[in-house]
Amino acid sequence: SQQGEEDPQALSIQEGENATMNCSYKTSINNLQWYRQNSGRGLVHLILIRSNEREKHSGRLRVTLDTSKKSSSLLITASRAADTASYFCATDLLTQGGSEKLVFGKGTKLTVNP
Amino acid sequence: DSGVTQTPKHLITATGQRVTLRCSPRSGDLSVYWYQQSLDQGLQFLIQYYNGEERAKGNILERFSAQQFPDLHSELNLSSLELGDSALYFCASSWGNGNQPQHFGDGTRLSIL
Repeated sequence: SQQGEEDPQALSIQEGENATMNCSYKTSINNLQWYRQNSGRGLVHLILIRSNEREKHSGRLRVTLDTSKKSSSLLITASRAADTASYFCATDLLTQGGSEKLVFGKGTKLTVNP
Repeated sequence: DSGVTQTPKHLITATGQRVTLRCSPRSGDLSVYWYQQSLDQGLQFLIQYYNGEERAKGNILERFSAQQFPDLHSELNLSSLELGDSALYFCASSWGNGNQPQHFGDGTRLSIL
């Protein structure tokens, strides 16, 4: 099963509105990352929040982390048509070999209508 | 531009064949990661190399293998291809080892006919 799962699976909003996506995970983490993927392209790293941080901002992005609920949210304010993309959360997971790997959720597909 | 280069962009081949996907990491990055993305399975981690050595293994089939060369570029070899191997294969790189931000290439789209 997925370590991280985004909700909702799809979100459609009007330009200028805010978009909120949520991510829930199962096990303890060191950090949580959010990525964006435009159709047919590679993922682009947006923001990393450490387990001892509760909120982080980057431009129009605001990420929160609640380790007690094992959840995170990504807020995009004043959305633009160019924000149309899929958004993924990724959490670190310890492998059997002792290394850490990123586990991605299935993503939220955001459509911003002009 | 992430600085990660993947070739080829598209690959069409038949079942039973073998292909090699190539990745050049971002300058200065020592880790290379391979992922498979399909509609039903999402983005699945396959394998990671750090400075030439295998560091972490994910859901990589025995028919698949990878290596990282001294110049840090990496290749993913897929053999005895099956229809279900059709997917987007991404390479990503990071400076260190572990849970740092990763920089993704634009992927190789593999279609098995």
